[in-house]
Amino acid sequence: AQSVTQLDSHVSVSEGTPVLLRCNYSSSYSPSLFWYVQHPNKGLQLLLKYTSAATLVKGINGFEAEFKKSETSFHLTKPSAHMSDAAEYFCVVSLNEKLTFGTGTRLTIIP
Amino acid sequence: DTGVSQNPRHKITKRGQNVTFRCDPISEHNRLYWYRQTLGQGPEFLTYFQNEAQLEKSRLLSDRFSAERPKGSFSTLEIQRTEQGDSAMYLCASSLAAGGPSEQFFGPGTRLTVL
Repeated sequence: AQSVTQLDSHVSVSEGTPVLLRCNYSSSYSPSLFWYVQHPNKGLQLLLKYTSAATLVKGINGFEAEFKKSETSFHLTKPSAHMSDAAEYFCVVSLNEKLTFGTGTRLTIIP
Repeated sequence: DTGVSQNPRHKITKRGQNVTFRCDPISEHNRLYWYRQTLGQGPEFLTYFQNEAQLEKSRLLSDRFSAERPKGSFSTLEIQRTEQGDSAMYLCASSLAAGGPSEQFFGPGTRLTVL
C-alpha cells in the first residue's frame, strides 16, 4: 500500500518569508513522488517530481523539495513567498500510473 | 494544443438522472485518467486507459459508473441513477507513456451537483 500524509491543512506565511509544506509518505516500493498545485478555478499543475535520481528536486516558480528516505519525508520549500503562491498544494505518490493524493495544504500569503 | 479540456464545466442534475462527461486529452497522449475530488479532499483515482483499453478501475467506481475511450482519443464518463453522494469535481488527466512515471496533465474538471 502507498499513501502520503500532509501534516498541515493550512499554512500562513508573510510575503517574502520562507515557505515549508510538510509531507510524509508510506510506500512498499521505491516511490515516485510529486507536488501539485491547484489555484482556484484552475486545473492541477505539476510543481516538481522525484523519481529516484537526485534527492533535491527543483521545480517551477522557485519551489524545491528534498527526498529523505530515513525520515520518509518529501517536504516542499520556497525561500521567499509571493502573493501568487496562494493556492492548495498536494503531495502525491505514484505506483503503476495511479496517483494517490494527500489531503492538501492550503497556503495563504499575508501581504 | 491548449491542454486537456473537459465538458461541461458544471452540471446540475436531479437524483436518479444519468449524466455524461467528456474529456479531450492532449492530442499525442496515449494515457487518460479519471479522478474524483470532493470538497476538502485530494483527488481520488477512478480509472485509466492506455489507448482504448481500460487498464484499471478503482473500487470507488461502482456499477453505476462507466468510462469509455472508444478510439483512443476522447473519453466519456457516465454516471447512471445519480445519487447525492456523487456530487464532486470530476477530473481528467492525460499523459504520454515513456517507460517511467509520466507527468499527468490535468483538465479544469467538471463540477457535478446532484440535488
